[in-house]
Amino acid sequence: AQKITQTQPGMFVQEKEAVTLDCTYDTSDPSYGLFWYKQPSSGEMIFLIYQGSYDQQNATEGRYSLNFQKARKSANLVISASQLGDSAMYFCAMRVTDSWGKLQFGAGTQVVVTP
Amino acid sequence: EPEVTQTPSHQVTQMGQEVILRCVPISNHLYFYWYRQILGQKVEFLVSFYNNEISEKSEIFDDQFSVERPDGSNFTLKIRSTKLEDSAMYFCASSEARTANTEAFFGQGTRLTVV
Repeated sequence: AQKITQTQPGMFVQEKEAVTLDCTYDTSDPSYGLFWYKQPSSGEMIFLIYQGSYDQQNATEGRYSLNFQKARKSANLVISASQLGDSAMYFCAMRVTDSWGKLQFGAGTQVVVTP
Repeated sequence: EPEVTQTPSHQVTQMGQEVILRCVPISNHLYFYWYRQILGQKVEFLVSFYNNEISEKSEIFDDQFSVERPDGSNFTLKIRSTKLEDSAMYFCASSEARTANTEAFFGQGTRLTVV
């Protein structure tokens, strides 16, 4: 069975600072993908960044980067230079190839960016 | 950019009534999903659909739920007799493939309130 764990229910960060959101996972499938989504208060799910289990390099996408440590089964999201618009719920999710492509989500981390 | 669209954005229904939530997936996608998010909680997988049949479902997806693709473009979720605990945000997602490295695209969600 697969499991995704986000242990930080909420975080405050000051504008322009970096913030790291933790995500650990567990799966016996060697082929998996890890995704981060942002959910603002309006409710929609916005895809941020993806990391594949076989990727050699950490994924980056603008101000978002993923600190992927495969041996520790962690895939932490780093948001650099936080902006007020980054205030949202952030979900880590995993997809394994040996399934019908469903995503399994963590509990989420609420980020509040303060001026 | 192609997107998944869901209608309605909000639905209020009386307990015991049937509701149909509608989704138009991205046109060349083959895999379709419904997820549920009870307010303040994590996103939970309900069902996956491929080749006009359910490929996987969770234990949440009981006999009160059904899905269909009635006309080759719409993908619907029906709740036969709604309960108060069905109040949630429902997300439709679609994907080109079921592999771990394929992104799932989410609709903006339907907020269902059962009164």
